[in-house]
Amino acid sequence: DTAVSQTPKYLVTQMGNDKSIKCEQNLGHDTMYWYKQDSKKFLKIMFSYNNKELIINETVPNRFSPKSPDKAHLNLHINSLELGDSAVYFCASSREAGGQPQHFGDGTRLSIL
Amino acid sequence: AQSVTQPDIHITVSEGASLELRCNYSYGATPYLFWYVQSPGQGLQLLLKYFSGDTLVQGIKGFEAEFKRSQSSFNLRKPSVHWSDAAEYFCAVGGRNQGGKLIFGQGTELSVKP
Repeated sequence: DTAVSQTPKYLVTQMGNDKSIKCEQNLGHDTMYWYKQDSKKFLKIMFSYNNKELIINETVPNRFSPKSPDKAHLNLHINSLELGDSAVYFCASSREAGGQPQHFGDGTRLSIL
Repeated sequence: AQSVTQPDIHITVSEGASLELRCNYSYGATPYLFWYVQSPGQGLQLLLKYFSGDTLVQGIKGFEAEFKRSQSSFNLRKPSVHWSDAAEYFCAVGGRNQGGKLIFGQGTELSVKP
């Protein structure tokens, strides 16, 4: 059983479109995250949710809107996609939000044409 | 400012040789330190973590790391590298009251020569 699963694995779309990435964890964790990995492999946190409540929002453009329908799911919706949004997006989860080890999904590679 | 520096962008070692990957951090509070490994097309896998206590921590796949507070370092080591260890390695720092936020280094790509 995959612990943290993301769909889709690849997403190719045009500028201006709206797209969503879904994430689910079956670890029973309370906290979930979205990270962005750029072309130089630099990883930066975007959002963190604890028990469906937003606790970290790292000055991400408001075109990005996370939604957590329950503790096991954290989806990422992106409006009006721009070229600079091309990256690999990783979902992660941890038992709690307090320096605990984070378990990562395999990533979603988003390519904007 | 909070930051993590991995000075080596790319390292090549021969199979069977020892390995040390460097990590230096700057963090205002008590740091929690992590090493992750990323294989191509995969997510990050936790190798080991340091929260407190013994400053030499053991991880999976034969890796270990040593926390040196005086040097703000958390270097990763392995006595004998295997070809399957070729991957990207990330050092990260977090804290107890940071909402789970991890700050990552820029990564070190490890290549292994036969």
